[in-house]
Amino acid sequence: DQQVKQNSPSLSVQEGRISILNCDYTNSMFDYFLWYKKYPAEGPTFLISISSIKDKNEDGRFTVFLNKSAKHLSLHIVPSQPGDSAVYFCARRGDNFNKFYFGSGTKLNVKP
Amino acid sequence: EADIYQTPRYLVIGTGKKITLECSQTMGHDKMYWYQQDPGMELHLIHYSYGVNSTEKGDLSSESTVSRIRTEHFPLTLESARPSHTSQYLCASSAGTGAYNEQFFGPGTRLTVL
Repeated sequence: DQQVKQNSPSLSVQEGRISILNCDYTNSMFDYFLWYKKYPAEGPTFLISISSIKDKNEDGRFTVFLNKSAKHLSLHIVPSQPGDSAVYFCARRGDNFNKFYFGSGTKLNVKP
Repeated sequence: EADIYQTPRYLVIGTGKKITLECSQTMGHDKMYWYQQDPGMELHLIHYSYGVNSTEKGDLSSESTVSRIRTEHFPLTLESARPSHTSQYLCASSAGTGAYNEQFFGPGTRLTVL
């Protein structure tokens, strides 16, 4: 049972424009979601998170939106920069707080 | 800055060999995890630990084993490597308390079994 699903394996965006990465999830009682960024040959690094008591969380150029009724999560990057080119994983914490479930990732390419 | 280390970074080994992938963290985190990831796929949890002398199998069945004798150290062992074990192995840790703790990842070990 896939807990989180990223349906777009890749996304290409022009530098300076907005990048929108999407993630869908299955139902759960408690929802805490995270976005990670991964460069080749490196481990994922934490980017931003959101809990179910919020519908938006912002950190600099990165904003995460949570639509609980649609069970949908999105990450907005504005403006996009070439250094943002990486694979982005969404993840959610498991109900027992001990596990995390990751999507399959979206590879973002920001063209100069 | 997360301080979690994995060695080796790359390993090419023949079938049947025993291997141990090392993972250490200096953050004093109680919880540690091993994930397996193939390109374009999810990170699959194969082992996790709540603390010293506590280990659990993850959602993805794995022939590997782990141990947690010290808080900072969480090695993964394959007794007899096979080509099907070829993958990237990622170690992670997180603080033990609270509902809003993210995981910190090491750089990963890329394992190739010939």
